[in-house]
Amino acid sequence: DTAVSQTPKYLVTQMGNDKSIKCEQNLGHDTMYWYKQDSKKFLKIMFSYNNKELIINETVPNRFSPKSPDKAHLNLHINSLELGDSAVYFCASSRGRALEQYFGPGTRLTVT
Amino acid sequence: ILNVEQSPQSLHVQEGDSTNFTCSFPSSNFYALHWYRWETAKSPEALFVMTLNGDEKKKGRISATLNTKEGYSYLYIKGSQPEDSATYLCALRGYSGGGADGLTFGKGTHLIIQP
Repeated sequence: DTAVSQTPKYLVTQMGNDKSIKCEQNLGHDTMYWYKQDSKKFLKIMFSYNNKELIINETVPNRFSPKSPDKAHLNLHINSLELGDSAVYFCASSRGRALEQYFGPGTRLTVT
Repeated sequence: ILNVEQSPQSLHVQEGDSTNFTCSFPSSNFYALHWYRWETAKSPEALFVMTLNGDEKKKGRISATLNTKEGYSYLYIKGSQPEDSATYLCALRGYSGGGADGLTFGKGTHLIIQP
């Protein structure tokens, strides 16, 4: 069974559209995250979510919003997509602050 | 703001040789230091998490040390094998009052093992 899964794996869309990426973890973890891998292959934290508390990286545009329907899911919604949003987005989860994070396979978003 | 520097950026090693690379940080004001292994077309996989100065962790042929006083962590690979080829990421987990925050990653060391 896949520990952290993301759908879709690839997403191609046009500028101005609204899209969502889903993330699910079956590890029973209490904290979930979204990371963006930029054009230089650098991983940057976007959001973390724990017990209904959302912590946002201040550099993330407010067009991005995570939604957690339950502890096992943290979906990423993106409004009014821009060319610069093209990237690979990784979801991750962990049990507690100090423990290792488990990453999903990534979603490659291409905005045309 | 946490800063993480990794060196070298890339490294070619002959199969069977041992190697090591560095993660350095100017400030020790963090909760934990993580090492991840990231193979092409896969997702990052956790290797070690260290929190205390002097921590040493080992998994098979790979080991890591943490020196918070001098601001570095080393990752060692003994007897490199082709399957060790990957990018090795160092990351810091900071403190936060809310109890949930993400990792600040370095740019990684890209390791290529040559047969």
